[in-house]
Amino acid sequence: QSVLTQPPSASGTPGQRVTISCSGSSSNIGSNYVYWYQQLPGTAPKLLIYRNNQRPSGVPDRFSGSKSGTSASLAISGLRSEDEADYYCAAWDDSLSGHWVFGGGTKLTVL
Amino acid sequence: EVQLVESGGGVVQPGGSLRLSCAASGFTFDDYAMHWVRQAPGKGLEWVSLISGDGGSTYYADSVKGRFTISRDNSKNSLYLQMNSLRTEDTALYYCAKDIRYDSSGWLVYWGQGTLVTVSS
Repeated sequence: QSVLTQPPSASGTPGQRVTISCSGSSSNIGSNYVYWYQQLPGTAPKLLIYRNNQRPSGVPDRFSGSKSGTSASLAISGLRSEDEADYYCAAWDDSLSGHWVFGGGTKLTVL
Repeated sequence: EVQLVESGGGVVQPGGSLRLSCAASGFTFDDYAMHWVRQAPGKGLEWVSLISGDGGSTYYADSVKGRFTISRDNSKNSLYLQMNSLRTEDTALYYCAKDIRYDSSGWLVYWGQGTLVTVSS
């Protein structure tokens, strides 16, 4: 069972806006930044959002992140077929000398 | 261009040992912390360990603490993971990942393609 909680699946049609939630606690999301990773089928994860809402160069502005309290969310607007992937949230956790924690992942299906 | 190439995976019996390696290129290796992250077949990502740029600070997931040891050789631009007392639940694709910073204050910014470890009798 993952420390950060994500819905196992999400879906939308092309052009739609979808959001993926990530719930944590005071020792991780509540006191540290949230990061989002995209894993396309059969490939390594790729950084999508850093420090809650920042996009690395090359990531389309259709992807956005937000954080409030001990929860965070990833929004994808103008959904495209190539967005079909697994999405993971992550955060540093201050407990037990410090460690990284990931969400269980959300499989996004573009219908 | 950043390149991370993992190696050393294979099939090992429960209780056995394995040493993974990650060869890094395209950046100044000792300027950055490095991570190991694993993914069991069909499952999500699980962070395993982090080492600072000079190797002086290390962090581990509870699930591997006392069994796995992360290390690096900055003269060889290489990262390692020594895995002892392996269990069937350690079966996974092991990724090497580069951090954005020198210490634990950064985040995972680039991942290799992984090496598969299978623990089975």
